[in-house]
Amino acid sequence: DAKTTQPPSMDCAEGRAANLPCNHSTISGNEYVYWYRQIHSQGPQYIIHGLKNNETNEMASLIITEDRKSSTLILPHATLRDTAVYYCIVSGGSNYKLTFGKGTLLTVNP
Amino acid sequence: GAVVSQHPSRVICKSGTSVKIECRSLDFQATTMFWYRQFPKKSLMLMATSNEGSKATYEQGVEKDKFLINHASLTLSTLTVTSAHPEDSSFYICSARPGLAGVSYEQYFGPGTRLTVT
Repeated sequence: DAKTTQPPSMDCAEGRAANLPCNHSTISGNEYVYWYRQIHSQGPQYIIHGLKNNETNEMASLIITEDRKSSTLILPHATLRDTAVYYCIVSGGSNYKLTFGKGTLLTVNP
Repeated sequence: GAVVSQHPSRVICKSGTSVKIECRSLDFQATTMFWYRQFPKKSLMLMATSNEGSKATYEQGVEKDKFLINHASLTLSTLTVTSAHPEDSSFYICSARPGLAGVSYEQYFGPGTRLTVT
């Protein structure tokens, strides 16, 4: 699987948009970008995934650059409950395993 | 939709005993299930991948005779930690993936099982 690079931590004010970056410069053509988050002592929660087009669902938006070497997860209106570790993972093709890195600890402040 | 449950949520056992953890996909059929382990302040580490009706594939360094995995149906996988020792104390998390092999689909995770071996 391609490796990803994320900042270890970020802060965001409640109600503001949270933009979480991820670099995946070695991504292969058939690999998807997945985002998960883990709130303390819980199982990870699926957020969104995409291949090359931008994606949006009820939780977030995923913006993938044209060269697919980086992406940004956007939480449009962050709440205190969005405080979690966010993982950006690339996976796909014949290998659909998820390899978790250290992720980004997003802290939403009141 | 896409709910995965685990049972039990917490278990304490004595050293040398075996513990079974169940993982169920409640509203979809999971062709593949995964088992992870997470130590405090660390990220999730994949232990094994199981496909319904076939033997599990273990990651390097994971003892298949110690961590027995059974995926007997499309909605149930079990992980048995045999002869547990204190160093096996960890947070065990399963995930389930619908869809066909070779096509990427998201995985849905269970809430995790906290195992403490005394």
